[in-house]
Amino acid sequence: EAQVTQNPRYLITVTGKKLTVTCSQNMNHEYMSWYRQDPGLGLRQIYYSMNVEVTDKGDVPEGYKVSRKEKRNFPLILESPSPNQTSLYFCASRLGGSHEQYFGPGTRLTVT
Amino acid sequence: AQRVTQPEKLLSVFKGAPVELKCNYSYSGSPELFWYVQYSRQRLQLLLRHISRESIKGFTADLNKGETSFHLKKPFAQEEDSAMYYCALLSRRALTFGSGTRLQVQP
Repeated sequence: EAQVTQNPRYLITVTGKKLTVTCSQNMNHEYMSWYRQDPGLGLRQIYYSMNVEVTDKGDVPEGYKVSRKEKRNFPLILESPSPNQTSLYFCASRLGGSHEQYFGPGTRLTVT
Repeated sequence: AQRVTQPEKLLSVFKGAPVELKCNYSYSGSPELFWYVQYSRQRLQLLLRHISRESIKGFTADLNKGETSFHLKKPFAQEEDSAMYYCALLSRRALTFGSGTRLQVQP
C-alpha cells in the first residue's frame, strides 16, 4: 500500500531533550516536506527536500533540522525542544510537478 | 513570496444550504491551486485541483485570476462535509497552505 508513515504518533518530552520524528514513504517520491499545524495558523512548512541531499528551509525552520540521506526517509530533528514547539506535525511527499501531495498521519508532540 | 488567505476560520451552515469557502492568493507566477480536506482524526487528503476542473463529492472550485481567488463551492451541504478545508498553492518549493476553514454542517 502506498503511504507515508511517521513515528512516533504521540510524544511527550521535556525541554532540551533531543528528539527525532521519522518519516518514510514508499512511493519513490522526490519531494518531501514537514509541516506543523497549529490552531488558527493552519499548516506551516518547516523544511522541504527536493531530492536526496537537497533540503531547504520553509517558513518556520527555527529550532528544527532535517536530513535526506535516502529517498524514502526524511527525519525531523529537534536538537533542544522548547514548549513553543508543541504542535501537530505532518510529513508529506509528492512526485515532481503538480502532483498530489500525500500526507502522513501526524505526530502530536508536547514539550513541557 | 506566495501567500494563501482563507478569511473565515469557521463556516456554519444547515444541511442542504449552499456552501462557499473563500480562498485568495498572491503569487507572481502562474498559480496551481488545490483544496485539501481533513476529516476528524484523519490525515489531510486532496479534494480537488484547479487544473483538472473536476467535481469531487459535489464540490467545485474555479480559478479567477482577475480576483486572485479559488473559492470552493457546493450547492447543497451534507453533514458528512463537516471538516477542515485548506486551500493550497503550489510553487517550485512546495505547497503553501492557507490557515484553513472549519466547515460545520448542522442537521
